[in-house]
Amino acid sequence: EVQLVDSGGGLVQPGGSLRLSCAASGFIFSSYWMTWVRQAPGNGLEWVANIKEDGSEKYYVEAVKGRFTISRDNAKNSLSLEMNSLRAEDTAVYYCASGKYRYPYWGQGTQVTVSS
Amino acid sequence: EIVLTQSPGTLSLSPGERATLSCRASQSISSTYLAWYQQKPGQPPRLLIYGASTRATGIPDRFTGSGSGADFTLTITRLEPEDFAVYYCHQSGRSPFTFGPGIKVDFK
Repeated sequence: EVQLVDSGGGLVQPGGSLRLSCAASGFIFSSYWMTWVRQAPGNGLEWVANIKEDGSEKYYVEAVKGRFTISRDNAKNSLSLEMNSLRAEDTAVYYCASGKYRYPYWGQGTQVTVSS
Repeated sequence: EIVLTQSPGTLSLSPGERATLSCRASQSISSTYLAWYQQKPGQPPRLLIYGASTRATGIPDRFTGSGSGADFTLTITRLEPEDFAVYYCHQSGRSPFTFGPGIKVDFK
């Protein structure tokens, strides 16, 4: 059974940092692009970033460029999102998802709240 | 950036009725890169349709995707109680990938 388990969320002050993780199991992690999608409270979905199977290509939405870094460890079947210089508008549930063009599997999400 | 506009914002229907959900892109996109997701409160999204018209694994045939160019449609032929949810279209043809704002299908 495919499982994606998101973790690492929490309450952080503006300007702070947080590292999200996504533990994958049940599929060949190293064969899939991986993606982060977020959802602000009461809002719709926003694509955040994705990373190629071998980590050689990474893409970001403009709003997080230079502040967020997506990475992966294929030996540990793990995806990460390092978030720096956090802003109130980064407050959202963050989901990891498998795939580049479509996302058949999702984590349950981890809440990130940026507030003083 | 490709902007996706979904209409109507809310669709109030009864079980057994037909739902027609629209997604319009600000520029033409390949059908290959258009997908639909369903989301219920407190849950992650669920992939329904990809490639504009291909049902994902386990998705019942009452869900049908169609369209091309800049206009796409998700049709639910006979609403079941579990279909009342929010539906998002998503384009992955041009970075940054984007989602539509969603259409809420609720009980009349």
